[in-house]
Amino acid sequence: EVQLVQSGAEVKKPGESLKISCKASGYRFTTYWIGWVRQMPGKGLEWMGIIYPGDSDTTYSPSFQGQVTISADKSISTAYLQWNSLKASDTATYYCARLRRGSRDAFDIWGQGTMVTVSS
Amino acid sequence: DIQMTQSPSTLSASVGDRVTITCRASQTITTWLAWYQQKPGKAPKLLIYQASSLQSGVPSRFSGSGSGTEFTLTISSLQPDDFATYYCQQYNSYSPWTFGQGTKVEIK
Repeated sequence: EVQLVQSGAEVKKPGESLKISCKASGYRFTTYWIGWVRQMPGKGLEWMGIIYPGDSDTTYSPSFQGQVTISADKSISTAYLQWNSLKASDTATYYCARLRRGSRDAFDIWGQGTMVTVSS
Repeated sequence: DIQMTQSPSTLSASVGDRVTITCRASQTITTWLAWYQQKPGKAPKLLIYQASSLQSGVPSRFSGSGSGTEFTLTISSLQPDDFATYYCQQYNSYSPWTFGQGTKVEIK
């Protein structure tokens, strides 16, 4: 079964760092792009960026460039989303999702989401 | 950025109704458009890609149409499982990719 399994919920303080994960199984990890999508509480979906695990080629949304780092470890079929210094406004649910085909396509497989709460 | 505007924001309908949701792009995206369904506390689910292609496993009562700047998602006969929020998403270019604000389909 093709699936993406994300790491569990996190509660952090402003200024702390965080790295959440997305483990892929059931398909060849290195040949599909993976993206990250933010959903703030009660709000819509925002595209953050995508990565090609085969060579770590990454594209960020301008809104998130410099605010987060997207990476992947192909040896363990896992993608990551990382913050160096969290803000309260980073409170949201973050989804990883696989591109259906190629570098420009819809997201066909989604992780279950990781809820991140940033509060002092 | 390409802005995606969905209408209506909320839609009240009954089981068996034909439902149509519209998504307009601020500039042409040819057919680089997807539709997703999201239920509370769950991840989105892909329904339609490339504006009109039905994702595998999705019931045939869902259909998509349109090109350029105007697109529609139609549910031919609304079922109890279809009450959810629906989002369109353009992936025309990394400008960045953007989602509509969502359309909540509620029980009338």
